[in-house]
Amino acid sequence: DAGVTQSPTHLIKTRGQQVTLRCSPKSGHDTVSWYQQALGQGPQFIFQYYEEEERQRGNFPDRFSGHQFPNYSSELNVNALLLGDSALYLCASSPGNLDTGELFFGEGSRLTVL
Amino acid sequence: QKEVEQDPGPLSVPEGAIVSLNCTYSNSAFQYFMWYRQYSRKGPELLMYTYSSGNKEDGRFTAQVDKSSKYISLFIRDSQPSDSATYLCAMHKGNTPLVFGKGTRLSVIA
Repeated sequence: DAGVTQSPTHLIKTRGQQVTLRCSPKSGHDTVSWYQQALGQGPQFIFQYYEEEERQRGNFPDRFSGHQFPNYSSELNVNALLLGDSALYLCASSPGNLDTGELFFGEGSRLTVL
Repeated sequence: QKEVEQDPGPLSVPEGAIVSLNCTYSNSAFQYFMWYRQYSRKGPELLMYTYSSGNKEDGRFTAQVDKSSKYISLFIRDSQPSDSATYLCAMHKGNTPLVFGKGTRLSVIA
């Protein structure tokens, strides 16, 4: 049983560019959440998708957007990249009816903005 | 004041020691408390989960929640070098996103 898979694992972009990160949730999970983890910090919630709609959103600007597909996979898009967007981007999945916050994380996509 | 405070360490202990990791929080509405373990260059993995106050034990790991003090702890008995990782506390109040601490980096020296 595959867990949460993310791609790409590493990428380097320059300021002002756009990036798309991809996530496939754990089998049987229909809810996908995205987190940003800066170096030496805990993960910060970006947004959550359920039934192809953004269900909750954290304190991130509109440059951060997402999408969920009918097969529950998800994308995170970041426009007009800033140096401060350099971080590990984590995707986490959970069953939609589970309210306990038990998330299964992927290994992340490490974004470096130069 | 941040919602969740966690000493980032680093914490270095000899193999076999008892490790105590702690977090404090300010939001009394938090009901679900977790500890995640994150190895270097990996995603976090759920280690322990506790609902409301009390203790929970799983092998060498014990999680404690004291809601009156807004304080949670993770104890690791007979620590092993393989326990070397960053430990993240996380919590939420139900149907809301997880709020994480900064994480405590632990090294267990053989």
